Amino acid sequence: DAGVIQSPRHEVTEMGQEVTLRCKPISGHDYLFWYRQTMMRGLELLIYFNNNVPIDDSGMPEDRFSAKMPNASFSTLKIQPSEPRDSAVYFCASRRGGPSYEQYFGPGTRLTVT
Amino acid sequence: AQSVTQPDIHITVSEGASLELRCNYSYGATPYLFWYVQSPGQGLQLLLKYFSGDTLVQGIKGFEAEFKRSQSSFNLRKPSVHWSDAAEYFCAVGARNDYKLSFGAGTTVTVRA
Repeated sequence: DAGVIQSPRHEVTEMGQEVTLRCKPISGHDYLFWYRQTMMRGLELLIYFNNNVPIDDSGMPEDRFSAKMPNASFSTLKIQPSEPRDSAVYFCASRRGGPSYEQYFGPGTRLTVT
Repeated sequence: AQSVTQPDIHITVSEGASLELRCNYSYGATPYLFWYVQSPGQGLQLLLKYFSGDTLVQGIKGFEAEFKRSQSSFNLRKPSVHWSDAAEYFCAVGARNDYKLSFGAGTTVTVRA
């Protein structure tokens, strides 16, 4: 199994630009999570999906952030327009349904907004 | 809502010495508990998990953790650390009625020769 795949691994962009982060979950996992990690706030859950449907987006910081999951093997997190305070590492994680399954994390995308 | 406190931000330990990382959780019922490890520039890897049953849980890389309900704790231990154990360690708690996890702030472990 290839694990959770994220792309790009590193992204440097200028303030005001649109940024799209991508995630491919582990096959057979029907839950997908997007997290943001910063020194100041630690690891925060942004949004999660079940069977491609957003279940809880209460962690999405503001309207500049949006996430989609068009099918079971692909999700995107978009920031438009980007701001320097969005600089962080963004992780995608997936898991199977059921009460006792852990989340598997991707390697993360390090985003720098200048 | 559940929450996690990791009281130690940074721990330095000598190679071969024992290690204990503290984790306290807040949750009204029996939680799901996890320890993850993050090496520099990497994602989080699961070390071990507790759902029910035996309160002493064995994980990968020689780690173990003990769930103590009376103390709301889930401390991670390793009898003898290796230089490769230098990393950041996260404790996480999950509720039994949803699939979200709440993570602690993490403890950075430095291993000195």
